[in-house]
Amino acid sequence: QVQLQESGPGLVKPSETLSLTCAVSDFSISSGYHWGWIRQPPGKGLEYIGNIYYSGTTYYKPSLKSRVTISVEVSKNEFSLQVSSVTAADTAIYYCARLTYGGIDYWGRGALITVSS
Amino acid sequence: SSDLTQDPAVSVALGQTVRITCQGDSLRTFHASWYQQKPGQAPVLVIYDKKNRPSGIPDRFSGSGSGNTASLTITGAQAEDEADYYCGSRDISGNHLLFGGGTSLTV
Repeated sequence: QVQLQESGPGLVKPSETLSLTCAVSDFSISSGYHWGWIRQPPGKGLEYIGNIYYSGTTYYKPSLKSRVTISVEVSKNEFSLQVSSVTAADTAIYYCARLTYGGIDYWGRGALITVSS
Repeated sequence: SSDLTQDPAVSVALGQTVRITCQGDSLRTFHASWYQQKPGQAPVLVIYDKKNRPSGIPDRFSGSGSGNTASLTITGAQAEDEADYYCGSRDISGNHLLFGGGTSLTV
């Protein structure tokens, strides 16, 4: 059973950079698959942010591309998300997940990130 | 707005059958996946690759699709099926994911 766990500060100030890390357990990232980030503003639907292959190739949602960076640390079996210049609109639950061709088969429990001064 | 369109809310009587639909151009190329999300929980994959059910998902959940439309059918809905359901797919490039806006199911 693959397990994913998000970690990061729950509160970020406007204009600063949001940083989250996803630790993967019981599966080696270097074995393959794409690893992604999805967010969900309070009371709203799911929004895809981007994904990364274990080799480091990244894919970002076009509308977020200028502010998002996803990286992978194979030696630590984790991957990370950075979103720069955050505003209140970036307040959301952030999920990390494992992507397969047919769908997202494993999700983290989610981390609530609030953007506020 | 989403590139995948779902009805915002659907209701079904206990034990009856309900179909939740998802429409989008990307579904002509890529198969849909379906996710169940209960309040305060992460989404759970209930259908992948249009019609396949992960282990542990009850067989009352089934998926189908044709053209630009995908469907999730719950045959004999149970009280515990009350949740939000999201469809997902790849975008035309195949490199990114798309989600529908979600359907709130009331049983």
